[in-house]
Amino acid sequence: ETGVTQTPRHLVMGMTNKKSLKCEQHLGHNAMYWYKQSAKKPLELMFVYSLEERVENNSVPSRFSPECPNSSHLFLHLHTLQPEDSALYLCASSQDRFPNTEAFFGQGTRLTVV
Amino acid sequence: GNSVTQMEGPVTLSEEAFLTINCTYTATGYPSLFWYVQYPGEGLQLLLKATKADDKGSNKGFEATYRKETTSFHLEKGSVQVSDSAVYFCALSVTDTGGFKTIFGAGTRLFVKA
Repeated sequence: ETGVTQTPRHLVMGMTNKKSLKCEQHLGHNAMYWYKQSAKKPLELMFVYSLEERVENNSVPSRFSPECPNSSHLFLHLHTLQPEDSALYLCASSQDRFPNTEAFFGQGTRLTVV
Repeated sequence: GNSVTQMEGPVTLSEEAFLTINCTYTATGYPSLFWYVQYPGEGLQLLLKATKADDKGSNKGFEATYRKETTSFHLEKGSVQVSDSAVYFCALSVTDTGGFKTIFGAGTRLFVKA
């Protein structure tokens, strides 16, 4: 248990569906992240939030929409996804957005788009 | 630019064998370097880190030394166990003009046979 909880653990959705991934941390961290992990590819940073403000968006398609209502919760809203979006989506948090800060990861949501 | 290159896996070893997983990096500025481990069905967790040149990170028998002259951060363990079977990610964190960046390598899968 790392202190970062993601739900659901598994999700199958059609290309016309709308769904949301949830991430929760009670570690008192200021920064939260969404990563995409695809087979045989480097871990891709999608979004960074610091103190509930989005500070980084790495050219992610608009069909992925993040939301950070408070410092403990982070959502990733999904709509009209493509099969190539199937991947493991990992949430992480850290105390600060500084280079030597450790990130704590959730177990991920395994997303399959059919 | 900033990037991390890891040796391709999978790496298959017998129990008690010596492990080396190579990692090299390119970075603008002065990065901190990390090794994360991902056990089956789980998210990533920090294994060790080093924040400046010549620092050695160590944890659970694993070691890695920050080598600025060779821009490397190779992971080593003297005697692996079956329980070490996992995916290992090398990562760097650096602050550049675009803000804080954490960049992961593609990961190296390790299988340890009894």
